Amino acid sequence: DTGVSQDPRHKITKRGQNVTFRCDPISEHNRLYWYRQTLGQGPEFLTYFQNEAQLEKSRLLSDRFSAERPKGSFSTLEIQRTEQGDSAMYLCASSTSGSSSDTQYFGPGTRLTVL
Amino acid sequence: SQELEQSPQSLIVQEGKNLTINCTSSKTLYGLYWYKQKYGEGLIFLMMLQKGGEEKSHEKITAKLDEKKQQSSLHITASQPSHAGIYLCGRGSNYKLTFGKGTLLTVNP
Repeated sequence: DTGVSQDPRHKITKRGQNVTFRCDPISEHNRLYWYRQTLGQGPEFLTYFQNEAQLEKSRLLSDRFSAERPKGSFSTLEIQRTEQGDSAMYLCASSTSGSSSDTQYFGPGTRLTVL
Repeated sequence: SQELEQSPQSLIVQEGKNLTINCTSSKTLYGLYWYKQKYGEGLIFLMMLQKGGEEKSHEKITAKLDEKKQQSSLHITASQPSHAGIYLCGRGSNYKLTFGKGTLLTVNP
C-alpha cells in the first residue's frame, strides 16, 4: 500500500495558462475526491467519483475546472485560464465503499501558484 | 458562519504538557473525523468517531464524541514536538467531508 500520490507537488503558472494535476488513489479504493485548501482554511470539497462516475460537484467548481477519472483508476483535475484566485493547495483523497467508516485517505497535495 | 468551529485557533504548549482541542458542529454529527496536517503537506488520518459517547485512543491522543452537544474533543497527553501541526476536524455527510479551519499546535521543547 503506497498511499495516495499526487503529481506535481508544486506548480507555478502564469495567469491565463491551463494546468492539469494527477492523482493516483490507493489501489483498491473505488472512491476518489478532490478538495481545495487555501491558507488558514480547512480543505473544501470540490468533486467526488465512484469508480469512473463523477457523482457530485461543488458550486466551487466553476466551468473552468474539469475532473476526470477514466477507467476508475487515476484522476486528473484541469484548470483552464487560471486566475490568481485559483492559487491554493489541491488535495486528492480516496476511500473504499462498503466499509462502515468510509475513511478518506489524503495525498500530499499539489500546491498551485498563479502569478 | 462556519459549519464546524474549532477552538482554540492556535495553541503553544511546553513539551510534556497535556492539551485539548475542541470541535463544535452546527449540524448533526453522523461521523466526525480528526486529521493532522503538517504545514504544506497532506492530511494524516487520526481517528473517526460515529456514536455518541464514543472514545478512541491512538498512542497519546484521545478523541471523544458528545453527540447531543454536537461536539468532539481531542486530547493529547504528555505532548511531544512530534505532535506539532494543524489539527482538523471534519464532518462526514453524503460521502464528502466538511472541515473546520484547524487548530495550529506548537510544542516547545
